[in-house]
Amino acid sequence: SQQGEEDPQALSIQEGENATMNCSYKTSINNLQWYRQNSGRGLVHLILIRSNEREKHSGRLRVTLDTSKKSSSLLITASRAADTASYFCATVIYNQGGKLIFGQGTELSVKP
Amino acid sequence: KAGVTQTPRYLIKTRGQQVTLSCSPISGHRSVSWYQQTPGQGLQFLFEYFSETQRNKGNFPGRFSGRQFSNSRSEMNVSTLELGDSALYLCASTPLGQSNNEQFFGPGTRLTVL
Repeated sequence: SQQGEEDPQALSIQEGENATMNCSYKTSINNLQWYRQNSGRGLVHLILIRSNEREKHSGRLRVTLDTSKKSSSLLITASRAADTASYFCATVIYNQGGKLIFGQGTELSVKP
Repeated sequence: KAGVTQTPRYLIKTRGQQVTLSCSPISGHRSVSWYQQTPGQGLQFLFEYFSETQRNKGNFPGRFSGRQFSNSRSEMNVSTLELGDSALYLCASTPLGQSNNEQFFGPGTRLTVL
């Protein structure tokens, strides 16, 4: 079974707005990663946050991690139509680096 | 460096047949992981190979198997195909499969079972 859940399942916004996606997980983790998938293609890594980190930024992306609540959020600022994709969080458990456990994903639609 | 490649990209099989999918990791990467993606179950981990040995295994029946060659290329095999095996199969590679590595994904093989 999957590690956790993401919400919302789908999100539709206008260009220029911010998009926030949330992810919850069940077990202790080594790190949490976010991936993007365009139209059923391969996944692209966006950002990795370690369990001892609380916040991380990369360009227009901001990720937070709350290990006490077993949750993470991904914020995309000033969204663009090209950000339209599915976004997945994935957790890595200690000593199992080659195994990603994915959430169900959030489908983001950014309208021009 | 070339990315992760998967062949074939699309495949149509009938129930009861078997199928072999291939994955070539990024040059120098020794860990290859496989995932199944379906609308109902989402992305699920199948197995991970490192230095020709299976290092991790997901919760899939024995019909799903894999192997890795000395050049790190990997294959996965599904025997006695069922309709529910229709999915996008993704492989991913990392240099050593360490916990803090991102995974690099291939474009996937879309398998349809009729």
